[in-house]
Amino acid sequence: DTAVSQTPKYLVTQMGNDKSIKCEQNLGHDTMYWYKQDSKKFLKIMFSYNNKELIINETVPNRFSPKSPDKAHLNLHINSLELGDSAVYFCASSQDPSPLPQHFGDGTRLSIL
Amino acid sequence: DAKTTQPPSMDCAEGRAANLPCNHSTISGNEYVYWYRQIHSQGPQYIIHGLKNNETNEMASLIITEDRKSSTLILPHATLRDTAVYYCIVRVARNYGQNFVFGPGTRLSVLP
Repeated sequence: DTAVSQTPKYLVTQMGNDKSIKCEQNLGHDTMYWYKQDSKKFLKIMFSYNNKELIINETVPNRFSPKSPDKAHLNLHINSLELGDSAVYFCASSQDPSPLPQHFGDGTRLSIL
Repeated sequence: DAKTTQPPSMDCAEGRAANLPCNHSTISGNEYVYWYRQIHSQGPQYIIHGLKNNETNEMASLIITEDRKSSTLILPHATLRDTAVYYCIVRVARNYGQNFVFGPGTRLSVLP
């Protein structure tokens, strides 16, 4: 059973479009995250949610809007896609606050044409 | 969270131990040391973490120096499937991901 699953795995779209990425975890964790991995392979946090409430919102453009319908799901909606949005987006979950580790999905590779 | 420094790349012969170092000289008393790895095209995979004592699990061992300013991840018998980028991260326990950044890590190549 996949612990953290993201869909779609690949997303190719044109500049200006709106797209969503879905994430689900079956680990019973309270906290979920979105990360962006850029072309230099640095992985940086974008958002974190604890029990459906936004905890962290790093310096991310307003075009990115996370939504958590329940604590097992955290979706990422992106409006007016730009070339610089091309990256791999990872969802993760953990049981916070605690020292226990985060579990990551396999990523969504977003390519903007 | 404290910053970490790792060598950009390392090679290891298959079947031998791989010892991956990490410096975290500004670590504070409530920060844990975590190790993750990322195999090509996959999400980061948790390996091990520790606070002060050395830790061992089915994947690896973590050796933390007494002053906690550095640590070493040991893969006791490296296989070709251990080829990956290894990340060392320090963070406080009660943290929802603030400043949780994976740096460039160490690219480990296990050679046949």
